[in-house]
Amino acid sequence: DVKVTQSSRYLVKRTGEKVFLECVQDMDHENMFWYRQDPGLGLRLIYFSYDVKMKEKGDIPEGYSVSREKKERFSLILESASTNQTSMYLCASSYRPLGQPQHFGDGTRLSIL
Amino acid sequence: AQKVTQAQTEISVVEKEDVTLDCVYETRDTTYYLFWYKQPPSGELVFLIRRNSFDEQNEISGRYSWNFQKSTSSFNFTITASQVVDSAVYFCALPSGGSYIPTFGRGTSLIVHP
Repeated sequence: DVKVTQSSRYLVKRTGEKVFLECVQDMDHENMFWYRQDPGLGLRLIYFSYDVKMKEKGDIPEGYSVSREKKERFSLILESASTNQTSMYLCASSYRPLGQPQHFGDGTRLSIL
Repeated sequence: AQKVTQAQTEISVVEKEDVTLDCVYETRDTTYYLFWYKQPPSGELVFLIRRNSFDEQNEISGRYSWNFQKSTSSFNFTITASQVVDSAVYFCALPSGGSYIPTFGRGTSLIVHP
């Protein structure tokens, strides 16, 4: 079974802190994704990576950066956390061929105080 | 541009009722895939089904069935004899042609009361 593991289920940080959210998958997937999920807004893509060291901006990349130094790990970085980044963050991975389903982690509920 | 519409924001039913979740999509692609995912209260989205645009056969998996109609651009999901464990948010998704990135609908929250 595919396993996508996010480092924390719940996280509380302060405004201005640099925040790291980690995601690891164990299925050798080429593609990895970071989403945020807010009530009424559904899932919004922050960043996408299709290979090591490769990344593409999604719909809402402002205030975020990502790092993919190894194939299995995709990190989301909040450079200077702000209260409007309080949200549920979901990581996903998939195989490269088009039309492959995504596999999601349990999510990290991040609160910025 | 891709678009996925799940017009039902929330549906509430009593256990054992049948329920249909609607998904209407827009795409200019001639070949595409459609997906349904389930997000239980625990938070993890779980893949339920993928459908190729060439295959309009209905799919049945236990109490779950999917009705794909290209003529109406719909990919509806029916749960027969609903159970409390079916309570979740359900998402329909459509990747852009030539892209790995899916467009998700806003989701339908299904609440099944005992």
